[in-house]
Amino acid sequence: SQQGEEDPQALSIQEGENATMNCSYKTSINNLQWYRQNSGRGLVHLILIRSNEREKHSGRLRVTLDTSKKSSSLLITASRAADTASYFCATDTSGTYKYIFGTGTRLKVLA
Amino acid sequence: EAGVAQSPRYKIIEKRQSVAFWCNPISGHATLYWYQQILGQGPKLLIQFQNNGVVDDSQLPKDRFSAERLKGVDSTLKIQPAKLEDSAVYLCASSSGDSSAGELFFGEGSRLTVL
Repeated sequence: SQQGEEDPQALSIQEGENATMNCSYKTSINNLQWYRQNSGRGLVHLILIRSNEREKHSGRLRVTLDTSKKSSSLLITASRAADTASYFCATDTSGTYKYIFGTGTRLKVLA
Repeated sequence: EAGVAQSPRYKIIEKRQSVAFWCNPISGHATLYWYQQILGQGPKLLIQFQNNGVVDDSQLPKDRFSAERLKGVDSTLKIQPAKLEDSAVYLCASSSGDSSAGELFFGEGSRLTVL
């Protein structure tokens, strides 16, 4: 079953613009992670945010978490063509590191 | 540090045949996962191991899928007999299981086509 649902399903922007994607989930979480997947490859971890955190930064990435709305957002600033990929959120609801992935956002950055 | 190794990368079989996928996690990682990713969808958790014990296999179709983790290291996922809807990429991931971490490291995946 899918716990998270990303929005939008697909996003196309110009290089240099910011990209924002959202993840909504159904049940309370211990932490939430964001992953990137290039076409035909495995997933790569981007950032983890815990339930008691509201915002985290890593390079050009900014993640927010609103537990009252059961949602998270991933902002990629100054996007590059190399950021073209699918982005997934994953949630741990049980505290046993059982990670359930969302449906993903396909990002295309045009040069 | 070597990453998560999976084999084979690609496999094509006829329906009702059997197939096995192998995964070697990052050394020292206690937690191992198998995910199924159908084209255009997010990864779906099939089974989670902690060392050589099963933590969760609630989404594993046990009538045809089986998985084991030998001595808490390598793991094998088997499908017998395969159905057309099993066509997907099978992703193996591992994690240290440390409460201060949580990051999953993924292999490149094994792409299965069932004809």
